[in-house]
Amino acid sequence: DQQVKQNSPSLSVQEGRISILNCDYTNSMFDYFLWYKKYPAEGPTFLISISSIKDKNEDGRFTVFLNKSAKHLSLHIVPSQPGDSAVYFCAAWGSGNTGKLIFGQGTTLQVKP
Amino acid sequence: NAGVMQNPRHLVRRRGQEARLRCSPMKGHSHVYWYRQLPEEGLKFMVYLQKENIIDESGMPKERFSAEFPKEGPSILRIQQVVRGDSAAYFCASSKASGNYEQYFGPGTRLTVT
Repeated sequence: DQQVKQNSPSLSVQEGRISILNCDYTNSMFDYFLWYKKYPAEGPTFLISISSIKDKNEDGRFTVFLNKSAKHLSLHIVPSQPGDSAVYFCAAWGSGNTGKLIFGQGTTLQVKP
Repeated sequence: NAGVMQNPRHLVRRRGQEARLRCSPMKGHSHVYWYRQLPEEGLKFMVYLQKENIIDESGMPKERFSAEFPKEGPSILRIQQVVRGDSAAYFCASSKASGNYEQYFGPGTRLTVT
């Protein structure tokens, strides 16, 4: 039962362009959604989050959009930089879920110089 | 700025041996979560602990796996009689409080069972 899904295993974009990573979920009881970035042989690093009562949150080059009716969120990175090349995980958190994070499978982003 | 510490970073065990993975949370954090990442998959929740208490172990395999977070010292994830299928990256995360969704991850322990 995959409650959080990232259907694109990989994405390749040119440096300076926009990267859009997508995530779908099934449980409407989630309170927060988070994006983590992960380099090989390292732990996930928190990037940005959004509350379920918001539809947009922005932090520098990173913006997360939430469409509750579609149970869909996306992470926009503008402009993309080669250092952004990593695996990006979408995660969901619910207060009624004892605090655990539920992760998607990840999307590998490659930003070409 | 001491983040979440995990050791060892790499652990090789033969089938049937025991594996012990350690996690020290960030300073000021008293909630610890363990996640496992199998090859080509996302992270899967295993167990959530506070000091001396297991809050949620719904993601732990029923046998051979156990976890603790004693009053003093790091949290320990213990795997007895390891099998090849236990080979994975094990990540520990910590948070300040139970209602805090922001979890900070350690670098992980990569367990290889030969």
